[in-house]
Amino acid sequence: KQEVTQIPAALSVPEGENLVLNCSFTDSAIYNLQWFRQDPGKGLTSLLLIQSSQREQTSGRLNASLDKSSGRSTLYIAASQPGDSATYLCAFQTGANNLFFGTGTRLTVIP
Amino acid sequence: NAGVTQTPKFQVLKTGQSMTLQCAQDMNHEYMSWYRQDPGMGLRLIHYSVGAGITDQGEVPNGYNVSRSTTEDFPLRLLSAAPSQTSVYFCASGRRDGNTIYFGEGSWLTVV
Repeated sequence: KQEVTQIPAALSVPEGENLVLNCSFTDSAIYNLQWFRQDPGKGLTSLLLIQSSQREQTSGRLNASLDKSSGRSTLYIAASQPGDSATYLCAFQTGANNLFFGTGTRLTVIP
Repeated sequence: NAGVTQTPKFQVLKTGQSMTLQCAQDMNHEYMSWYRQDPGMGLRLIHYSVGAGITDQGEVPNGYNVSRSTTEDFPLRLLSAAPSQTSVYFCASGRRDGNTIYFGEGSWLTVV
């Protein structure tokens, strides 16, 4: 059974700090890996999609990397802002488009 | 462009009642799916569909039925609600070639 682990479960940082969120998975035969953001009481918003042939993707202050051999992905957030406060979820995607999620990291950026 | 629309947003059911959670997307996506989110467990796949007339089970399908008569709609039916089905339900859609998956805003269901 595929398992996805996210560490830490919660993180609190001062505004302006750079931070890294970690995601590990047990099945290296993934198709894609996606990072999502979830605000309280809201749905999920896709942040970055890394296809299995890629090693990283960047969008603005966000950079996500994928190392299939070690079963790990990281999400790097530069110059964090209070508006970045949310829960961040990683999920790996099978060939059938189905997603297997981690339990998330709840990020709080303190002004 | 509305994206993925779920209704209702909130619902309280009594044990044994039935109901349908509606999901519609206007992006002409072949793939649609339902997930449930429970505290400490992440999102888990209930059922999914890769096109009209095609459905399949996910990780936690028991107690739920689905059908896909059109590309746009993918309703989730609870035939006899149980307290264990208290959860937040998310519908998602995407193109069949495995790109970004889009989620609805969620439906909060409480079974008493």
